[in-house]
Amino acid sequence: ETGVTQSPTHLIKTRGQQVTLRCSSQSGHNTVSWYQQALGQGPQFIFQYYREEENGRGNFPPRFSGLQFPNYSSELNVNALELDDSALYLCASSLAITGVRDTQYFGPGTRLTVL
Amino acid sequence: GQQLNQSPQSMFIQEGEDVSMNCTSSSIFNTWLWYKQDPGEGPVLLIALYKAGELTSNGRLTAQFGITRKDSFLNISASIPSDVGIYFCAGRQGNTGKLIFGQGTTLQVKP
Repeated sequence: ETGVTQSPTHLIKTRGQQVTLRCSSQSGHNTVSWYQQALGQGPQFIFQYYREEENGRGNFPPRFSGLQFPNYSSELNVNALELDDSALYLCASSLAITGVRDTQYFGPGTRLTVL
Repeated sequence: GQQLNQSPQSMFIQEGEDVSMNCTSSSIFNTWLWYKQDPGEGPVLLIALYKAGELTSNGRLTAQFGITRKDSFLNISASIPSDVGIYFCAGRQGNTGKLIFGQGTTLQVKP
Protein backbone atom coordinates (compact mmCIF):
# COMPACT_ATOMS: atom_id res chain seq x y z
CA GLU A 1 0.00 0.00 0.00
CA THR A 2 1.27 3.44 -0.93
CA GLY A 3 -0.68 5.46 1.62
CA VAL A 4 -2.34 7.48 -1.16
CA THR A 5 -6.11 7.40 -0.79
CA GLN A 6 -8.81 8.50 -3.22
CA SER A 7 -12.54 9.00 -2.92
CA PRO A 8 -15.00 8.00 -4.05
CA THR A 9 -14.02 4.63 -5.54
CA HIS A 10 -16.79 4.69 -8.13
CA LEU A 11 -19.02 7.44 -9.47
CA ILE A 12 -21.75 7.63 -12.09
CA LYS A 13 -22.71 10.99 -13.59
CA THR A 14 -24.67 12.18 -16.58
CA ARG A 15 -23.42 14.29 -19.44
CA GLY A 16 -23.19 18.00 -18.58
CA GLN A 17 -22.87 17.46 -14.84
CA GLN A 18 -19.90 18.45 -12.70
CA VAL A 19 -17.78 16.11 -10.56
CA THR A 20 -15.21 16.50 -7.76
CA LEU A 21 -12.70 13.77 -6.99
CA ARG A 22 -10.50 13.77 -3.90
CA CYS A 23 -7.02 12.58 -3.05
CA SER A 24 -5.00 12.38 0.16
CA SER A 25 -1.28 12.19 -0.43
CA GLN A 26 1.17 9.87 1.29
CA SER A 27 2.51 11.16 4.59
CA GLY A 28 5.55 13.39 4.01
CA HIS A 29 4.71 14.07 0.37
CA ASN A 30 4.03 17.63 -0.82
CA THR A 31 3.15 17.17 -4.50
CA VAL A 32 0.08 15.66 -6.15
CA SER A 33 -0.32 14.71 -9.81
CA TRP A 34 -3.55 13.66 -11.52
CA TYR A 35 -3.84 11.22 -14.43
CA GLN A 36 -6.71 9.97 -16.60
CA GLN A 37 -6.61 6.34 -17.68
CA ALA A 38 -9.03 5.24 -20.38
CA LEU A 39 -9.81 1.55 -20.69
CA GLY A 40 -6.91 -0.37 -22.22
CA GLN A 41 -4.58 2.64 -22.23
CA GLY A 42 -1.73 3.98 -20.14
CA PRO A 43 -2.39 6.90 -17.79
CA GLN A 44 -2.37 10.40 -19.32
CA PHE A 45 -1.04 13.34 -17.28
CA ILE A 46 -3.68 15.97 -16.44
CA PHE A 47 -1.76 18.33 -14.11
CA GLN A 48 0.41 18.53 -11.02
CA TYR A 49 0.06 20.65 -7.87
CA TYR A 50 2.89 21.83 -5.64
CA ARG A 51 2.52 24.32 -2.77
CA GLU A 52 -1.13 24.80 -3.72
CA GLU A 53 -0.22 25.99 -7.24
CA GLU A 54 -0.64 24.21 -10.56
CA ASN A 55 2.80 23.16 -11.75
CA GLY A 56 2.54 21.69 -15.22
CA ARG A 57 -0.48 20.67 -17.25
CA GLY A 58 -1.11 18.05 -19.90
CA ASN A 59 -3.30 18.31 -22.97
CA PHE A 60 -6.63 18.69 -21.15
CA PRO A 61 -9.22 21.50 -21.57
CA PRO A 62 -9.84 24.16 -18.90
CA ARG A 63 -12.97 22.36 -17.68
CA PHE A 64 -10.48 20.10 -15.87
CA SER A 65 -9.32 22.06 -12.83
CA GLY A 66 -7.81 21.29 -9.48
CA LEU A 67 -6.93 22.45 -6.01
CA GLN A 68 -4.31 21.56 -3.47
CA PHE A 69 -4.86 22.29 0.21
CA PRO A 70 -2.34 23.23 2.94
CA ASN A 71 -2.30 19.61 4.15
CA TYR A 72 -1.26 18.62 0.56
CA SER A 73 -4.51 16.82 -0.20
CA SER A 74 -6.03 17.65 -3.57
CA GLU A 75 -9.21 17.81 -5.59
CA LEU A 76 -9.83 17.29 -9.30
CA ASN A 77 -12.90 19.05 -10.68
CA VAL A 78 -14.40 18.34 -14.08
CA ASN A 79 -17.17 20.57 -15.42
CA ALA A 80 -19.59 19.92 -18.27
CA LEU A 81 -18.91 16.19 -18.29
CA GLU A 82 -18.68 14.44 -21.65
CA LEU A 83 -19.07 10.74 -22.43
CA ASP A 84 -15.33 10.52 -23.21
CA ASP A 85 -14.53 11.61 -19.66
CA SER A 86 -15.44 8.09 -18.52
CA ALA A 87 -12.16 6.69 -17.20
CA LEU A 88 -10.14 5.73 -14.14
CA TYR A 89 -8.79 8.90 -12.51
CA LEU A 90 -5.52 8.34 -10.68
CA CYS A 91 -3.82 10.52 -8.14
CA ALA A 92 -0.09 10.19 -7.47
CA SER A 93 1.86 11.80 -4.66
CA SER A 94 5.57 12.55 -4.46
CA LEU A 95 8.02 14.38 -2.23
CA ALA A 96 9.40 17.15 -4.44
CA ILE A 97 9.21 18.53 -7.93
CA THR A 98 12.86 19.47 -8.42
CA GLY A 99 15.49 17.00 -9.51
CA VAL A 100 14.97 13.65 -11.12
CA ARG A 101 14.06 11.68 -8.00
CA ASP A 102 10.46 12.84 -7.90
CA THR A 103 9.10 9.29 -7.71
CA GLN A 104 5.32 9.17 -7.92
CA TYR A 105 3.22 6.72 -5.92
CA PHE A 106 -0.32 6.09 -7.11
CA GLY A 107 -3.61 5.73 -5.28
CA PRO A 108 -6.23 3.11 -6.19
CA GLY A 109 -8.13 5.50 -8.48
CA THR A 110 -11.72 6.66 -8.91
CA ARG A 111 -13.74 5.00 -11.66
CA LEU A 112 -15.94 7.65 -13.31
CA THR A 113 -18.73 6.63 -15.65
CA VAL A 114 -20.53 9.33 -17.64
CA LEU A 115 -23.90 8.34 -19.11
CA GLY B 1 -1.46 12.17 -26.11
CA GLN B 2 2.22 11.27 -26.35
CA GLN B 3 3.04 7.70 -25.34
CA LEU B 4 6.07 5.50 -25.20
CA ASN B 5 6.26 2.44 -27.47
CA GLN B 6 6.00 -0.58 -25.22
CA SER B 7 6.32 -4.17 -26.44
CA PRO B 8 5.09 -6.77 -26.53
CA GLN B 9 1.43 -5.82 -26.06
CA SER B 10 0.69 -9.12 -24.36
CA MET B 11 2.45 -12.29 -23.28
CA PHE B 12 1.14 -15.70 -22.28
CA ILE B 13 3.83 -17.79 -20.63
CA GLN B 14 4.33 -20.90 -18.55
CA GLU B 15 5.06 -20.58 -14.84
CA GLY B 16 8.82 -20.64 -14.28
CA GLU B 17 9.71 -18.98 -17.56
CA ASP B 18 11.61 -15.72 -17.79
CA VAL B 19 9.92 -12.64 -19.26
CA SER B 20 11.34 -9.61 -21.03
CA MET B 21 9.55 -6.44 -22.10
CA ASN B 22 10.83 -3.10 -23.31
CA CYS B 23 9.98 0.49 -23.90
CA THR B 24 11.35 2.80 -26.57
CA SER B 25 11.03 6.43 -27.54
CA SER B 26 12.36 8.82 -30.14
CA SER B 27 13.01 11.32 -27.32
CA ILE B 28 15.46 11.35 -24.44
CA PHE B 29 14.23 10.70 -20.91
CA ASN B 30 16.05 11.36 -17.63
CA THR B 31 13.99 8.96 -15.52
CA TRP B 32 12.46 5.60 -16.33
CA LEU B 33 9.94 3.90 -14.06
CA TRP B 34 8.26 0.52 -14.22
CA TYR B 35 4.82 -0.02 -12.69
CA LYS B 36 2.49 -3.03 -12.37
CA GLN B 37 -1.28 -2.56 -12.37
CA ASP B 38 -3.88 -5.12 -11.31
CA PRO B 39 -7.48 -4.81 -12.55
CA GLY B 40 -9.35 -2.00 -10.78
CA GLU B 41 -6.23 -0.86 -8.91
CA GLY B 42 -3.72 1.94 -9.28
CA PRO B 43 -0.22 1.31 -10.69
CA VAL B 44 2.31 0.05 -8.15
CA LEU B 45 5.93 1.13 -8.52
CA LEU B 46 8.33 -1.76 -9.19
CA ILE B 47 11.63 -0.14 -10.15
CA ALA B 48 12.89 3.44 -10.65
CA LEU B 49 15.93 4.25 -12.84
CA TYR B 50 17.68 7.61 -12.76
CA LYS B 51 20.93 7.28 -14.74
CA ALA B 52 21.75 6.12 -18.25
CA GLY B 53 23.16 2.60 -18.12
CA GLU B 54 21.78 1.97 -14.62
CA LEU B 55 20.82 -1.65 -13.93
CA THR B 56 18.58 -2.19 -10.89
CA SER B 57 17.04 -5.30 -9.38
CA ASN B 58 14.04 -5.80 -7.11
CA GLY B 59 13.79 -9.48 -6.21
CA ARG B 60 13.11 -11.39 -9.42
CA LEU B 61 12.75 -8.16 -11.38
CA THR B 62 15.61 -6.43 -13.18
CA ALA B 63 15.38 -3.22 -15.20
CA GLN B 64 17.87 -1.16 -17.14
CA PHE B 65 18.01 2.46 -18.25
CA GLY B 66 19.25 2.39 -21.86
CA ILE B 67 22.58 4.03 -22.57
CA THR B 68 20.99 6.25 -25.25
CA ARG B 69 18.37 7.38 -22.67
CA LYS B 70 15.68 6.49 -25.21
CA ASP B 71 14.81 3.02 -23.97
CA SER B 72 14.45 0.73 -20.99
CA PHE B 73 13.74 -2.95 -20.43
CA LEU B 74 12.24 -5.01 -17.63
CA ASN B 75 13.03 -8.67 -17.04
CA ILE B 76 11.14 -11.01 -14.72
CA SER B 77 12.87 -14.26 -13.86
CA ALA B 78 11.16 -17.53 -12.90
CA SER B 79 7.62 -16.16 -13.32
CA ILE B 80 4.90 -17.14 -10.86
CA PRO B 81 1.08 -16.84 -11.10
CA SER B 82 0.98 -13.62 -9.04
CA ASP B 83 3.09 -11.89 -11.72
CA VAL B 84 -0.11 -11.69 -13.78
CA GLY B 85 -1.10 -8.10 -14.52
CA ILE B 86 -0.38 -5.14 -16.77
CA TYR B 87 3.13 -3.72 -16.72
CA PHE B 88 3.67 -0.07 -17.67
CA CYS B 89 6.84 1.81 -18.38
CA ALA B 90 6.85 5.53 -17.70
CA GLY B 91 9.42 8.19 -18.48
CA ARG B 92 10.09 11.75 -17.44
CA GLN B 93 11.74 14.45 -19.53
CA GLY B 94 13.49 17.51 -18.18
CA ASN B 95 12.58 18.68 -14.73
CA THR B 96 8.80 18.38 -14.98
CA GLY B 97 6.55 16.20 -12.88
CA LYS B 98 4.79 14.84 -15.96
CA LEU B 99 5.16 11.10 -16.52
CA ILE B 100 4.61 9.73 -20.02
CA PHE B 101 3.36 6.14 -20.04
CA GLY B 102 3.60 3.26 -22.47
CA GLN B 103 0.52 1.36 -23.62
CA GLY B 104 1.22 -1.50 -21.23
CA THR B 105 2.22 -5.16 -21.53
CA THR B 106 -0.40 -7.66 -20.34
CA LEU B 107 1.22 -10.70 -18.77
CA GLN B 108 -0.60 -13.97 -18.24
CA VAL B 109 1.10 -16.89 -16.49
CA LYS B 110 -0.11 -20.45 -16.90
CA PRO B 111 0.44 -22.58 -13.77
